[in-house]
Formats: sequence, C-alpha cells, structure tokens
Amino acid sequence: GIQVEQSPPDLILQEGANSTLRCNFSDSVNNLQWFHQNPWGQLINLFYIPSGTKQNGRLSATTVATERYSLLYISSSQTTDSGVYFCAVASRSGGSNYKLTFGKGTLLTVNP
Amino acid sequence: DGGITQSPKYLFRKEGQNVTLSCEQNLNHDAMYWYRQDPGQGLRLIYYSQIVNDFQKGDIAEGYSVSREKKESFPLTVTSAQKNPTAFYLCASRSGTGLNEQYFGPGTRLTVT
Repeated sequence: GIQVEQSPPDLILQEGANSTLRCNFSDSVNNLQWFHQNPWGQLINLFYIPSGTKQNGRLSATTVATERYSLLYISSSQTTDSGVYFCAVASRSGGSNYKLTFGKGTLLTVNP
Repeated sequence: DGGITQSPKYLFRKEGQNVTLSCEQNLNHDAMYWYRQDPGQGLRLIYYSQIVNDFQKGDIAEGYSVSREKKESFPLTVTSAQKNPTAFYLCASRSGTGLNEQYFGPGTRLTVT
C-alpha cells in the first residue's frame, strides 16, 4: 500500500517563529488532508489539498502531486498551535474508497 | 448541531468481554470509517462502509466487527479475539458525492484490563 512519511517527527519553537512540516507519499493520490490533533485527541481538519496551494490565516499548505509531497507552513506560531500534525492520503490506485493512510505525525511544541 | 458523535468518551472493560463503540453522524454522509490510534502513532483503518448494509475490512480488521443498518450509525464491536484492544478509537465520515474530505468524531478511549 501507499507509504506516508512525515518530517520532522518533533519540532520545538519559540512563540512567533515560523515552521514548515513536510509529508512525502509513495503513490499518486486523490485525497490529501492535513489535521491537527488537539490535547483531547480530536482531529481538526486543516486542509483538504490533493494538489495546489491553500491558505487559512497563519496556516498555508502546498501539495506538489507530481513530485509526491506536501508542505504545511505555520507562521507566527502561538502556544495554541502545539499538538500533533498529521498528513493523510488516499491512493488513486485504491479506487473510489478514499481510505486514508496516515503518517506518524509531527509533534509540535510552541514555547511562550 | 451537525457533526459526528462518539460515545462513551472513556470505556473500561475486563479482558474477555466484547464491547461496542457507538458512532452517529447527522451530516447525511454516505461513507463512514473506523480508525484505531496507539500512543505516538498515526491512525490505522479498521473497517469502512460506503453505503448502508455494506462494509469492507480495512488494514487491521481482525478481532473487530461492524454493522451499517442505518445511514447515520456505524457501531464498532471490539471482540475478545482482539489481542491488544486498549487504544483510542476514532470514527469518521465522508459525503460520498464527489467530495473526498473526511471528518472525525471526538473519539473513544478504550482500556481493557
């Protein structure tokens, strides 16, 4: 099946710093989502971005489908950005089932 | 409010007992999914259903069972055959009408001792 690798596994920032999280995947995809998992375990949808670029406030994401990677940018980080960020993809070869395969996540800690 | 609800939030069971986790959605979504998360790991797919009365095994279906008798409901039973049932379980749904984005419920944390 499709492989998803996220980097870095851990990231520690000072409040106000910018960061880039990366997601590499091994096959063409028809779905790519970025999530933020809060301390209570809830997965918050950040972006649905199988290709192209999107922005939402201080967050933006870019997926280069032909090169099989996606980037999540966090600017002017705040302590509330702390948590685990997951990339999840559904492979085109998986048909119309849109089953998501998750990476292992990036644990982000933003210190005040 | 529209959304996905899972109950209970925390569940404790003795080894050897079956337990059923609830997942309900009022988003009128066709597809529903169950994932499992272990500490420090990503989510793994257990079962999914694209329409009522139909479901398929995911990557780690052994020891689990599901039903999809109603569009709004997709309960997951963790049977005594599941060797390591203690985990965080998340339910998700997707519209199914050409919209691929999945949305997740708040999860149920199951502890088996």
